[in-house]
Amino acid sequence: DTAVSQTPKYLVTQMGNDKSIKCEQNLGHDTMYWYKQDSKKFLKIMFSYNNKELIINETVPNRFSPKSPDKAHLNLHINSLELGDSAVYFCASSQGAGVSYEQYFGPGTRLTVT
Amino acid sequence: QKEVEQNSGPLSVPEGAIASLNCTYSDRGSQSFFWYRQYSGKSPELIMSIYSNGDKEDGRFTAQLNKASQYVSLLIRDSQPSDSATYLCAVTPLFTGGGNKLTFGTGTQLKVEL
Repeated sequence: DTAVSQTPKYLVTQMGNDKSIKCEQNLGHDTMYWYKQDSKKFLKIMFSYNNKELIINETVPNRFSPKSPDKAHLNLHINSLELGDSAVYFCASSQGAGVSYEQYFGPGTRLTVT
Repeated sequence: QKEVEQNSGPLSVPEGAIASLNCTYSDRGSQSFFWYRQYSGKSPELIMSIYSNGDKEDGRFTAQLNKASQYVSLLIRDSQPSDSATYLCAVTPLFTGGGNKLTFGTGTQLKVEL
């Protein structure tokens, strides 16, 4: 059974388009995250939700909008895609929002903007 | 100064040897420390977490934390070719504004040679 899953795995699109990435976890965790890993493999947090409430919102362009319909799902919608948005986007989850909780990552979505 | 620093490598060790991976962090109040392994094209996989000074052992892996020196390390005993991957150090800073805002290093590439 997949603990944290993401769809799609690959996403190729043109500049200016709008796209969404979906994430689901079946671990019963309360907290979910979006990370971006750039071409230099640097992994940086973007957002975090705890029980459907946004608790971390890093310096991310407002073209990026996360939504959490319930504790098990976290989606990322990106408007007006730019070349610099090309990256691998990882979803993660943890049991809670406290600093000692371990985070578990999904398989990633490779976004390529042409 | 980067928040979390790692030597990018590659670190090459012969099969059966001990691999030593190091990480320093800038925030003296950092609370939680994690090591992730990432194979090429895959997602980060949690290996170890450590929260207090000293050593923590799990199988062939030992994490070491020295908060006074702001230093955390990962030792891999009896290294195997399957250990060849990028190892990411992640740290939770003192002030997160709520939530576990992991800050990652750029990773150290480990190569275990036959």
